[in-house]
Amino acid sequence: GIQVEQSPPDLILQEGANSTLRCNFSDSVNNLQWFHQNPWGQLINLFYIPSGTKQNGRLSATTVATERYSLLYISSSQTTDSGVYFCAVEYRYNFNKFYFGSGTKLNVKP
Amino acid sequence: EPEVTQTPSHQVTQMGQEVILRCVPISNHLYFYWYRQILGQKVEFLVSFYNNEISEKSEIFDDQFSVERPDGSNFTLKIRSTKLEDSAMYFCASSPSGTATYEQYFGPGTRLTVT
Repeated sequence: GIQVEQSPPDLILQEGANSTLRCNFSDSVNNLQWFHQNPWGQLINLFYIPSGTKQNGRLSATTVATERYSLLYISSSQTTDSGVYFCAVEYRYNFNKFYFGSGTKLNVKP
Repeated sequence: EPEVTQTPSHQVTQMGQEVILRCVPISNHLYFYWYRQILGQKVEFLVSFYNNEISEKSEIFDDQFSVERPDGSNFTLKIRSTKLEDSAMYFCASSPSGTATYEQYFGPGTRLTVT
């Protein structure tokens, strides 16, 4: 399989601060997605980003597939950003199966 | 915007009972998936399904589990004889094609509690 590691495991921010979450993977991937798991347990799609950079409002993501990492940037954080952020990858040699990282638990304080 | 739906949102069952979790994938999608998340842990792949057959399955997906697409819209996960350790959130997902080129869309999950 493939190993997916996320850092940091926990992050506490003051509202308005910026942060960078990292996802490292051990081998080549076809697909990478970032999710936000809200307090109700729902997985919200943030980005489908197998390579390159995308932005959506205060969030942006960059994947450098050749160096096997992806970054999720959160700017001007809000309390509603709290939750767990997961990256998930599809291993190049094992289609139709996502491997998830262990997540970064973010707590944004007012 | 189309979305994946799952029912029920929460299911409580006794150990040894059979449960069926239901999902309605996005209508023009061709690939379907089940994942589970034990409380406080990461999301784990269970099974993928395409063209009315299992495409890929994990070690977790043993003989106690089965999947079915009984009609043109529903996709179900059956656990034949539930165990305490089956307590988890179960997510259904779908994608238009193989995930090498398309993202997966996740449903809101069914929380299964086995007592």
